Amino acid sequence: GQQLNQSPQSMFIQEGEDVSMNCTSSSIFNTWLWYKQEPGEGPVLLIALYKAGELTSNGRLTAQFGITRKDSFLNISASIPSDVGIYFCAGQGAQKLVFGQGTRLTINP
Amino acid sequence: DAGVIQSPRHEVTEMGQEVTLRCKPISGHNSLFWYRQTMMRGLELLIYFNNNVPIDDSGMPEDRFSAKMPNASFSTLKIQPSEPRDSAVYFCASTRTRKLFFGSGTQLSVL
Repeated sequence: GQQLNQSPQSMFIQEGEDVSMNCTSSSIFNTWLWYKQEPGEGPVLLIALYKAGELTSNGRLTAQFGITRKDSFLNISASIPSDVGIYFCAGQGAQKLVFGQGTRLTINP
Repeated sequence: DAGVIQSPRHEVTEMGQEVTLRCKPISGHNSLFWYRQTMMRGLELLIYFNNNVPIDDSGMPEDRFSAKMPNASFSTLKIQPSEPRDSAVYFCASTRTRKLFFGSGTQLSVL
C-alpha cells in the first residue's frame, strides 16, 4: 500500500531558528496536507496543497507540493515556543489519505 | 462554528467490557473517518463513511470492532469485548472536500 516517509522524526532547536521537514513517497499523490498536533488534541490542518509545484504560505509556515508529486516539505521561519508539537504530512492519491509518522518539534527558549 | 465533537474525552475500562465512542461531524460534511493513534503505529484509518454509508472498513482490526453512522450527524465506534491492546487515542474526522478536520479524540485505556 501507499506509505509516507517523514523526516526528521524529531527536532530540537533554539527559539528563532528556522525549521524544515519533509515527506516522500513511492506513490504519486494529488493532494498534500500538513497538520500540527498538540498534546491532548487532534491534528489541526495548517496547509493544503493541490497542484504539483504549488507553494503556499500560512503566516510563518510555507509548504510546497513537489514537482514529481511524490514529496512535500514544510518550513517554519523564526520559530517561537508555541510552534512546539508534532507535525504530520498526509498524502491523498487514488485511495485514502495516508499519514506520515510525524516530526516532533521541541524548542529551547 | 462547532468542530468535530467526540465523547467521551477519556474512557477507562476493564478488559472484556464493551466500549462505545461517539462522534458528531461538522454540519454539512458528508464524509466521516475513524482513526486510531498509537506511538508504535501512528495514525491508522479504521473506517470511513460517505453519505452515511461505510465505504472502506479494511482498517478495522478485527470483528470486535464495529462502526455505525445512522444519520449525517452521528457516528459510533464500538469495541466488544475490549482488550488491553485496544488502548489508544481514537479520532473522528469529517470533510466535504479534501481537507480533513479532526475532533479532540477519545483516550481509551483498557486495563
